[in-house]
Amino acid sequence: TQLLEQSPQFLSIQEGENLTVYCNSSSVFSSLQWYRQEPGEGPVLLVTVVTGGEVKKLKRLTFQFGDARKDSSLHITAAQPGDTGLYLCGGATNKLIFGTGTLLAVQP
Amino acid sequence: SQTIHQWPATLVQPVGSPLSLECTVEGTSNPNLYWYRQAAGRGLQLLFYSVGIGQISSEVPQNLSASRPQDRQFILSSKKLLLSDSGFYLCAWSTTGTEAFFGQGTRLTVV
Repeated sequence: TQLLEQSPQFLSIQEGENLTVYCNSSSVFSSLQWYRQEPGEGPVLLVTVVTGGEVKKLKRLTFQFGDARKDSSLHITAAQPGDTGLYLCGGATNKLIFGTGTLLAVQP
Repeated sequence: SQTIHQWPATLVQPVGSPLSLECTVEGTSNPNLYWYRQAAGRGLQLLFYSVGIGQISSEVPQNLSASRPQDRQFILSSKKLLLSDSGFYLCAWSTTGTEAFFGQGTRLTVV
């Protein structure tokens, strides 16, 4: 069974702080996706990383794919209350699976 | 552009009653379709996925079933709901098999 483990599970920080969320697996993925979900809504795709070692930036968010394509990280610089939400990583083989989730709360 | 519709948004059903949740996709053909269930603040559990009309793969043994009567329609059903079926149900589509696009979800409470 392929699993995507995320850490930490919960994170509560003050506005302006930096944070990193991790997504790990024992399996190799051809790509990994990151999503953000707000309460009562479906997840929204943020980014896809494809190449081992790849780094993508989306404003204050930096996504990295591990060299072995088994893990990924999401780094947020100077977090803002609008970053609050559930962050999910996702991967695919013959089906789409998702990580265990990281619930982020940014306090003003 | 592609859109996905999922309804109803909320549902309260008694134990033992039937269930039917519907999801339709517009603006794309032959998508992969998925049903997920989510516990509060947690990841998504894949329930069913479909790569074509009438083709359903079940991931978790349970009293739920899924059907795909048309290319862009995906239905989640149960003949008799259990308390443990409560949760947030999400429908999603993908054409790449990697990036997923989700509906707004259905909050199901079984009482």
